[in-house]
Amino acid sequence: GQNIDQPTEMTATEGAIVQINCTYQTSGFNGLFWYQQHAGEAPTFLSYNVLDGLEEKGRFSSFLSRSKGYSYLLLKELQMKDSASYLCAPRRGGSYIPTFGRGTSLIVHP
Amino acid sequence: DADVTQTPRNRITKTGKRIMLECSQTKGHDRMYWYRQDPGLGLRLIYYSFDVKDINKGEISDGYSVSRQAQAKFSLSLESAIPNQTALYFCATSGLDGETQYFGPGTRLLVL
Repeated sequence: GQNIDQPTEMTATEGAIVQINCTYQTSGFNGLFWYQQHAGEAPTFLSYNVLDGLEEKGRFSSFLSRSKGYSYLLLKELQMKDSASYLCAPRRGGSYIPTFGRGTSLIVHP
Repeated sequence: DADVTQTPRNRITKTGKRIMLECSQTKGHDRMYWYRQDPGLGLRLIYYSFDVKDINKGEISDGYSVSRQAQAKFSLSLESAIPNQTALYFCATSGLDGETQYFGPGTRLLVL
């Protein structure tokens, strides 16, 4: 497998910033996805990184370091609706199919 | 209208029964996938298909089979359901570049 490691649960305050980390095995790496999943709903795409660096998209940013096998998702100006599970999903070359981590459950409180 | 649909949305069945979960998509994608999700275990790949004549096993294919009836349809069957197949099942699609996956709404299956 990809030995994907991300925290099980995080809590944060509305309006704050939170960073969700993910580490993975680097062998054959070919891109990393972040998905958001609200309870009982389908995962939805947030970001895709294939090169090192930070990709910013509105309140959400995703960072990748290929040499370190490390990525993070940064959520700014947290809103209550950001309470969800965030799935880190690296993929290897060849099949191009991502492997999903167990997800980080983010709880945003007032 | 939803691009990826799944039927049924909820299903209760008994041990030993055969059931089929269906997935249809209007995105025109060639690649389709079936995942199951269990609490604390994340999404795990059951089967995937890169085109109509291509079927591949994922990491947890035992006890499951699939059929790719057309580009737009990919069905998952449980030949003889068992309680540990109780889970939330998702179908997904992606384009030829294999990037962003689009997920259906999920089927919640309970095997008694």
